[in-house]
Amino acid sequence: DIQMTQSPSSLSASVGDRVTITCRASQGIRNDLGWYQQKPGKAPKRLIYAASSLQSGVPSRFSGSGSGTEFTLTISSLQPEDFATYYCLQHNGYPWTFGQGTKVEIK
Amino acid sequence: QVQLQESGPGLVKPSETLSLTCTVSGYSISSGYYWGWIRQPPGKGLEWIGSIYYNGRTYYNPSLKSRLTISRDTSKNHFSLKLTSVTAADTAMYYCARDRSLDIWGQGTMVSVSS
Repeated sequence: DIQMTQSPSSLSASVGDRVTITCRASQGIRNDLGWYQQKPGKAPKRLIYAASSLQSGVPSRFSGSGSGTEFTLTISSLQPEDFATYYCLQHNGYPWTFGQGTKVEIK
Repeated sequence: QVQLQESGPGLVKPSETLSLTCTVSGYSISSGYYWGWIRQPPGKGLEWIGSIYYNGRTYYNPSLKSRLTISRDTSKNHFSLKLTSVTAADTAMYYCARDRSLDIWGQGTMVSVSS
């Protein structure tokens, strides 16, 4: 299985902060990676696909980068509605695997 | 727009079979895409269960493969999950979603395994 190591597992940040979350794959996955935001009691929502493409309707403060084994989700200026848990997903090799999640909390 | 909706029993007894259906509206599941299942135990992370391609080919998580069947009914435009011999470890929110990169999700359905 391809392991996705996501860091940090949690972070505290203030409105307006720049936030970076990283996922490392245990082997190369090209750009077969997505980022998801999940709020309590809700289904995950795709933010980024193909590592760096912004999902339609998602604010431009979200961006993704990387290829191969290292990937980053950046929120350029954290907004109150961005406090949530974020997951990466690799869909290059079976079984598709998620990172462990990053909970973004209010400082 | 494309929508997915999970349905099925919210409570299953240990050792029995968990059966869920995902009904798709706004797109024919036989026209394209992967259609998959993901679960999330309470307070934990996400796990991909398996998917069925639009041509009927299935892909399963090896950790569940011996107990898992994913099938489809194109006449009803839905796909289904059957998980046999369930235990408390199968208690989770179950989601269905479209495509490899899970672009559209259902709202989820909570399944508890308990006697």
